[in-house]
Amino acid sequence: DIQMTQSPASLSASLGETVSIECLASEDIYNNLAWYQQKPGKSPQLLIYYASSLQDGVPSRFSGSGSGTQYSLKINSLESEDAATYFCLQDSEYPWTFGGGTKLELK
Amino acid sequence: EVQLVESGEGLVQPGSSMKLSCVASGFTFSNYGMNWIRQAPKKGLEWIALIYYDSSSKYYADSVKGRFTISRDNSKNTLYLEMNSLRSEDTAMYYCAKDGMAPFDYWGQGVMVTVSS
Repeated sequence: DIQMTQSPASLSASLGETVSIECLASEDIYNNLAWYQQKPGKSPQLLIYYASSLQDGVPSRFSGSGSGTQYSLKINSLESEDAATYFCLQDSEYPWTFGGGTKLELK
Repeated sequence: EVQLVESGEGLVQPGSSMKLSCVASGFTFSNYGMNWIRQAPKKGLEWIALIYYDSSSKYYADSVKGRFTISRDNSKNTLYLEMNSLRSEDTAMYYCAKDGMAPFDYWGQGVMVTVSS
């Protein structure tokens, strides 16, 4: 199975700052990488797919990049509503596997 | 508007069985693959099963293979997850999720399954 190592596990940042979250795959996943946001008590929501494609309706301050085994999610100009846990997912090979999650706290 | 509504929530004893349902609306259900994903309390997400739009292929996580069965009834716009030989480690929130251009582009609200004696 492909292992997804996500870092950091938690992150604290201020409004207006820019943050990045990383996911490292145990093997090449050929850009088959998605990012999800989950707020407390809610279902996850898709933000980014195929490493860098922005899902409809997602603010442009979210962006994804990467290739091979290394991928990142960048959030520019943090807003209060961005406080959430973020997960990456590889859908390159079954079983699809998630990263462990990054909890983003706003100061 | 896409909606996915799960049902079947409950508390069951180890070794027992349970069936979850997910009713879809707002899109042509028969055109899309569907998934089940779970999240143990205070834990991360685990994809557990996928079924193709026409039921021609099904895939499972190793943790549930041989115990869980994913199925669908396109005439009823409904996805199912039959869970047998339940264990305490199956305790989780279970979500159904639709595939589109991307995996899991829409999620249901989730149902809680608790396995405990």
